[in-house]
Amino acid sequence: DIQMTQSPSTLSASVGDRVTITCRASESISSWLAWYQQKPGKAPKLLSYKASSLESGVPSRFSGSGSGTEFTLTISSLQPDDFATYYCQQYNSYPYTFGQGTKLEIK
Amino acid sequence: EVQLVESGGGLVQPGGSLRLSCAASGFTFSSYAMSWVRQAPGKGLEWVSGFSGSGVSTYYADSVKGRFTISRDNSKNTLYLQMNSLRAEDTAVYYCAKGSRITLHYNWFDPWGQGTLVTVSS
Repeated sequence: DIQMTQSPSTLSASVGDRVTITCRASESISSWLAWYQQKPGKAPKLLSYKASSLESGVPSRFSGSGSGTEFTLTISSLQPDDFATYYCQQYNSYPYTFGQGTKLEIK
Repeated sequence: EVQLVESGGGLVQPGGSLRLSCAASGFTFSSYAMSWVRQAPGKGLEWVSGFSGSGVSTYYADSVKGRFTISRDNSKNTLYLQMNSLRAEDTAVYYCAKGSRITLHYNWFDPWGQGTLVTVSS
C-alpha cells in the first residue's frame, strides 16, 4: 500500500496568515492526488484534484502543487472559515489511501 | 444538486450484521463509481469498498474482505454495504462517496454523504 504522510499534524495560525501543508507519498503517484477539508461532525469536502486542479466553488486562496512524491496545499490568506482538518488522498493505485490529517487551529 | 443520503447505521453486537444504504440523486448514478469510506472516532479516513458504475469491478480493503459486500441498484440509484461478522474495530462513521468516473481507477471522491454511525459493542 502507498503510505501518505502529512506534515505538520497540527498547525496553529492566525487569520491572514499564509500556510502550507505538505503531503508525501511513499512512492510516486504522478499527479493523482486530492485534497479534502473536514470540519467537526461534517463530511469531507473536496478542495482539489489532480494535484493542482481547484474544485469549482473553492476560493482561489487555496492552491495545490506537486507531483511524484511531494505535494503541498497552500492557503494564501487564512480566513476564519478555513480552520478545519485537511486530508490528502492518493488515487494512483489500490487501495486509495489518505494522509493522517493536518488540523489547522487558530493561534 | 448532487445528494447522497446514507442510512442503516446503529448499534450492533460483535458478530452481528448491518446493511447500509446510500440513496443518490442529482446525477446519472450508473455513470459513476461509488465508494464507502469510513472514519473511526477521532481518527482518519479509510477507503473500505468501491463499485464501478458499470457493475463490473469491486474493491475491498483487506480489513473487511470476506465480511463486507458492496452492491448497487442502478434502477433505484442506491448503493449498499452489507456488513457481516462485525468487530469492535469496525466502529466508525461510514460515508458514501461519488467517484469521479465510471471506473474505479483514478477516482477522487466528490461529494460525500453526511455519514452514518456504526457502533459495534456488547
